[in-house]
Amino acid sequence: AQSVTQLGSHVSVSEGALVLLRCNYSSSVPPYLFWYVQYPNQGLQLLLKYTSAATLVKGINGFEAEFKKSETSFHLTKPSAHMSDAAEYFCAVSVQTGANNLFFGTGTRLTVIP
Amino acid sequence: DGGITQSPKYLFRKEGQNVTLSCEQNLNHDAMYWYRQDPGQGLRLIYYSQIVNDFQKGDIAEGYSVSREKKESFPLTVTSAQKNPTAFYLCASRQGQSSYEQYFGPGTRLTVT
Repeated sequence: AQSVTQLGSHVSVSEGALVLLRCNYSSSVPPYLFWYVQYPNQGLQLLLKYTSAATLVKGINGFEAEFKKSETSFHLTKPSAHMSDAAEYFCAVSVQTGANNLFFGTGTRLTVIP
Repeated sequence: DGGITQSPKYLFRKEGQNVTLSCEQNLNHDAMYWYRQDPGQGLRLIYYSQIVNDFQKGDIAEGYSVSREKKESFPLTVTSAQKNPTAFYLCASRQGQSSYEQYFGPGTRLTVT
């Protein structure tokens, strides 16, 4: 079975500081991994995805994530936080099955302090 | 513009009434999904459909029903049997068997009193 754990339901950073949101996955087969962002009262927007190509994945809005198989991690980073980054972030995992369903973490709410 | 439409954005109902949430996509995606979102619980899968006229229960299907009569439409009915229907409901779609990412609609916030 697949699962995702997001460490820290709330993360606060100062504007201009490094953003680090943690995600660890569990999967018995090679996973596909995703980060989504959700602004209040909106749907989820795909930030980036790992699908077994390069382990360092670049996404939109300056975010990137690195797949580390040895650590079963897929942490999301951004060098310099902007006020507009304040949102909730979800990590998700999928594997190659008939359904290809996504399994989501419980989310991390990012607050950016001016 | 291609995308997923959910209507209405906000929906209010009295307890004991069935209510249907709309989800339409013009992306020509094969698979469609319904999720429920509650604070602090992430997204939980209600139902999904990989092809027209076929759908499967997700993790929390009790009290919900769906249909998939057209490729572009996947309506969700919240029945009176659903114990705690108040939530934010998200519809998503996925292109085909070789793709894994899902694309989401803007969501419908349902309040039942």
